[in-house]
Amino acid sequence: SQELEQSPQSLIVQEGKNLTINCTSSKTLYGLYWYKQKYGEGLIFLMMLQKGGEEKSHEKITAKLDEKKQQSSLHITASQPSHAGIYLCGADSGSQGNLIFGKGTKLSVKP
Amino acid sequence: GAVVSQHPSRVICKSGTSVKIECRSLDFQATTMFWYRQFPKKSLMLMATSNEGSKATYEQGVEKDKFLINHASLTLSTLTVTSAHPEDSSFYICSARRSGGIQYFGAGTRLSVL
Repeated sequence: SQELEQSPQSLIVQEGKNLTINCTSSKTLYGLYWYKQKYGEGLIFLMMLQKGGEEKSHEKITAKLDEKKQQSSLHITASQPSHAGIYLCGADSGSQGNLIFGKGTKLSVKP
Repeated sequence: GAVVSQHPSRVICKSGTSVKIECRSLDFQATTMFWYRQFPKKSLMLMATSNEGSKATYEQGVEKDKFLINHASLTLSTLTVTSAHPEDSSFYICSARRSGGIQYFGAGTRLSVL
């Protein structure tokens, strides 16, 4: 079965600093999704990547999918306290359309 | 963006009672919805796939008689935790898949069984 490994597990950065979160899959990715979750709340969709080499940006967040489609990275530029939360990568399971998820990366941004 | 509404956000109940959680897609029709369970510091675990007009598909290890799923319309799926016990206490999240593949999630329901 497919597994997603995220790194780091947690991250504390100073406001204004850049940071990168990685998501590595044990199998080829056919759809990679990034979500943000605040503790005790639902998941907020950030971006979806499908093609090898694809890169998408929204405000200060950029997500990339490597050419081999087994690794994705999420990069935040000039982090702000509003970026704090748990970032989850999810992948199409290929069966009924459900997603499998990594364990998440907890991001804290110090003002 | 698409909105999925989940209700209630929090429920506290006594052991042995049943609890119903609703998941609604507010601005699109969803033939398929998903129910996940999230444990502290763990990833989301798929419990079951809810299919409109047919029986839900449960993941291995999930008791279908305990977690009843009904998907009566294209915008509503319900999860009923029957005869809840303290070990059922958890965070339950639903999602609805829109055409194009993106899944939108509800805000989650925190269930506490005393």
